[in-house]
Amino acid sequence: SAVISQKPSRDICQRGTSLTIQCQVDSQVTMMFWYRQQPGQSLTLIATANQGSEATYESGFVIDKFPISRPNLTFSTLTVSNMSPEDSSIYLCSVETGGEGYTFGSGTRLTVV
Amino acid sequence: GQNIDQPTEMTATEGAIVQINCTYQTSGFNGLFWYQQHAGEAPTFLSYNVLDGLEEKGRFSSFLSRSKGYSYLLLKELQMKDSASYLCAVRDADSNYQLIWGAGTKLIIKP
Repeated sequence: SAVISQKPSRDICQRGTSLTIQCQVDSQVTMMFWYRQQPGQSLTLIATANQGSEATYESGFVIDKFPISRPNLTFSTLTVSNMSPEDSSIYLCSVETGGEGYTFGSGTRLTVV
Repeated sequence: GQNIDQPTEMTATEGAIVQINCTYQTSGFNGLFWYQQHAGEAPTFLSYNVLDGLEEKGRFSSFLSRSKGYSYLLLKELQMKDSASYLCAVRDADSNYQLIWGAGTKLIIKP
C-alpha cells in the first residue's frame, strides 16, 4: 500500500494567518483527498484533488479558504487561509490504494489562537 | 439522503469478543470499509466488503448485508491495544465515489 508523508504534524498559529500542509506519496496516485476531523468526530471531506485540474470542493468548503495545489501525481498541498479558532482541527490527506481501501497521512493537528 | 449510524461507545473485557454494528443509507452503494483510529493518530484500514457475507482477517471479521444496509465488525480475543475508535465508511457511487463516514465507535477494553 502507499505510504504518505504529511507535514507539519502539528502547529499553533495566530488568527488571520495561513498554514500550508503538504502530503507526499511514495507512488503515483490519481486522486488525493483532504479531510478535516474535529475532536471526537468523524471525518469530513474538504475536497478531492486531481492532478492537472482544479480541486473539487464539498459543500461548505471554498477555494478561497482552502486552496489546494496538485502539481504532480505524488504531491499535494492544502492551505488553510485567514485562520480563525474555528479552523482548529486535525487535517488529513488520503489516497486510494486499490483493494486495501484508502491510506491516510499521519495528520496535521492545527490550533489557532 | 446519506446516513451512517454506529454506536458512540462500547466497553468490552480483555480476551472477550465484541461486535460493532453499522447501518447505512446511501443511494449508490459501492463498498463498505472499516477503519481503526487510535487517539491522536490517523485511521488505518481494517476491512473492505462489497459483496454480502463475512470477511475474516485474523482476529477481525467484517460482515455485510446489502439488502439490510447493515454491517458489523467482530473483534475476537480482545487485547488492550484494541482500545480505539472504529469508523465505518461507505463508498457512494452517486456522490463521485467519495467515502461517507460514520461518527465512529469508541471501544474501551477493560482488563
